[in-house]
Amino acid sequence: GAGVSQTPSNKVTEKGKYVELRCDPISGHTALYWYRQSLGQGPEFLIYFQGTGAADDSGLPNDRFFAVRPEGSVSTLKIQRTERGDSAVYLCASSPRLAGGEQYFGPGTRLTVT
Amino acid sequence: KQEVTQIPAALSVPEGENLVLNCSFTDSAIYNLQWFRQDPGKGLTSLLLIQSSQREQTSGRLNASLDKSSGRSTLYIAASQPGDSATYLCAAGLNTGFQKLVFGTGTRLLVSP
Repeated sequence: GAGVSQTPSNKVTEKGKYVELRCDPISGHTALYWYRQSLGQGPEFLIYFQGTGAADDSGLPNDRFFAVRPEGSVSTLKIQRTERGDSAVYLCASSPRLAGGEQYFGPGTRLTVT
Repeated sequence: KQEVTQIPAALSVPEGENLVLNCSFTDSAIYNLQWFRQDPGKGLTSLLLIQSSQREQTSGRLNASLDKSSGRSTLYIAASQPGDSATYLCAAGLNTGFQKLVFGTGTRLLVSP
């Protein structure tokens, strides 16, 4: 079956611009996670959705970052007024259940802010 | 705050060797421990998931162990192959009501033919 997909695979934008990153989870998975991976580091948690609601957004670095999942499936991570420090790989993962479930990761979106 | 450390940061071995990757975590109150593989420019592939009540999991040439009391997990790779070359990440699953993963910085493995 299809895995987690993310688009675009690469995004280059200028400092100050707005970007949207899309995640399409595995069908039927209710839990969806966003992580950010900087060069040479492990992924860091950003936000978690259970269904349509953001159950925990404690990892979002500041209010320029926002994510939605309006229909409980596809999610969009939105970054306003991008900064060079936002450059990273943004990973999305989904899981069939709340706790203890294996997370399945997408290939990521590499964001470069120039 | 949970912190996850992986040693060594990089490892280079000849093909055929058995090897061990180490992962340590500071807070033993984890829900589970997951090992991932990441190829350059790619996402993460889950290798093994060990629940907190388990001691080890095996898949093919891979064996992962978990010792919660000492805050350690190891990933054992038997008879390494060049195709095993990748970065290996461990992640502690926190018991927060959902599966929040805290990752280590990874071990970069190179298996030479």
